Amino acid sequence: DTEVTQTPKHLVMGMTNKKSLKCEQHMGHRAMYWYKQKAKKPPELMFVYSYEKLSINESVPSRFSPECPNSSLLNLHLHALQPEDSALYLCASSHDRGEVHFGPGTRLTVT
Amino acid sequence: QKEVEQNSGPLSVPEGAIASLNCTYSDRVSQSFFWYRQYSGKSPELIMSIYSNGDKEDGRFTAQLNKASQYVSLLIRDSQPSDSATYLCAVKNYGQNFVFGPGTRLSVLP
Repeated sequence: DTEVTQTPKHLVMGMTNKKSLKCEQHMGHRAMYWYKQKAKKPPELMFVYSYEKLSINESVPSRFSPECPNSSLLNLHLHALQPEDSALYLCASSHDRGEVHFGPGTRLTVT
Repeated sequence: QKEVEQNSGPLSVPEGAIASLNCTYSDRVSQSFFWYRQYSGKSPELIMSIYSNGDKEDGRFTAQLNKASQYVSLLIRDSQPSDSATYLCAVKNYGQNFVFGPGTRLSVLP
């Protein structure tokens, strides 16, 4: 299994809602990532988990809250988002210095 | 100075030609280097990874790495219209920090 899965594919939420994005991989990778991508821009790193511990937080606002329940799962909890948070949210995973594999992404729209 | 830079696009080449994409990086301790292809609205797809100096070939793709010059390139031979996409250079260093360049948009003209 060489796949990273993400749910949901699309999400529309209001600014007062609470929602979660989910990511799963079964490749035995011990590093997992969340990226945010706006149109015509490269993916922007948000968080990195290494061996289920948060190792990188790129000064992301607290309205985004990551969680790594186990080595295969990664969640991103969303609360009180702003319209400018609308973007494609990408999950990825990798071995140590190895290749980083991306999921299909969740297209988020904040209204 | 940005961590990863790429030649500005868009880059247009005729079908069958060689497309050359360039990337430079600032962190000398970077360990791993990758090229991704991204179609509009889709997630990045890994094309090539390279870890040591020299060339690495995979089908129509050749990646070149020169750590002394902090330079990575991707050559696409016999370019096809289906190669039209944004190409992202990515660099990984210690601590799992994985950073993308701004991307180069490639158009292959039939």
